[in-house]
Amino acid sequence: GAGVSQSPSNKVTEKGKDVELRCDPISGHTALYWYRQRLGQGLEFLIYFQGNSAPDKSGLPSDRFSAERTGESVSTLTIQRTQQEDSAVYLCASSPPGGGREQFFGPGTRLTVL
Amino acid sequence: GENVEQHPSTLSVQEGDSAVIKCTYSDSASNYFPWYKQELGKRPQLIIDIRSNVGEKKDQRIAVTLNKTAKHFSLHITETQPEDSAVYFCAASKSNTGKLIFGQGTTLQVKP
Repeated sequence: GAGVSQSPSNKVTEKGKDVELRCDPISGHTALYWYRQRLGQGLEFLIYFQGNSAPDKSGLPSDRFSAERTGESVSTLTIQRTQQEDSAVYLCASSPPGGGREQFFGPGTRLTVL
Repeated sequence: GENVEQHPSTLSVQEGDSAVIKCTYSDSASNYFPWYKQELGKRPQLIIDIRSNVGEKKDQRIAVTLNKTAKHFSLHITETQPEDSAVYFCAASKSNTGKLIFGQGTTLQVKP
């Protein structure tokens, strides 16, 4: 079946602009995660959605970052007033319900803030 | 919060040799420990995982060991091949939350 998809694959923006990144999880996966990966570094947790529960936003680095998810489908990560330090690959992952389950990653969106 | 340390940051081995990557975690409540392989420009992919009720797990040339008392776990790759060259990430999470806390990654180079 189809895996996790993300769009756009690449985004170049100017400092101060807002950007929206989209994630389509695997059908039936109730859990959805966003991670950030700076060049040459590990993955940094941003936010986690599980079904209709309140999202875990503990990883969001500032109030410029927000994310939404409608039901168990698409999620959008929004970065307002982008800064150069926001440049990174933003990875989305989804997994079946319950903790300790394999997370399937999308191809990522490479964000470059000039 | 949870912190995961991974060593070494780079590892170079000859084809056929073994490679070992080690991770330590800080939160004793963590109970799920996956390992991901990320090839250049690709998405991370799960290669093996272990839960806290198990001390060791093996899948062909790959094995993972877990020491809950010491809060560390290791990835062992035997008979390495050039296609094993990639960045490997360890991670930890708790079953009541799915979020993974990742180590900083190990770049493995297998020389033919």
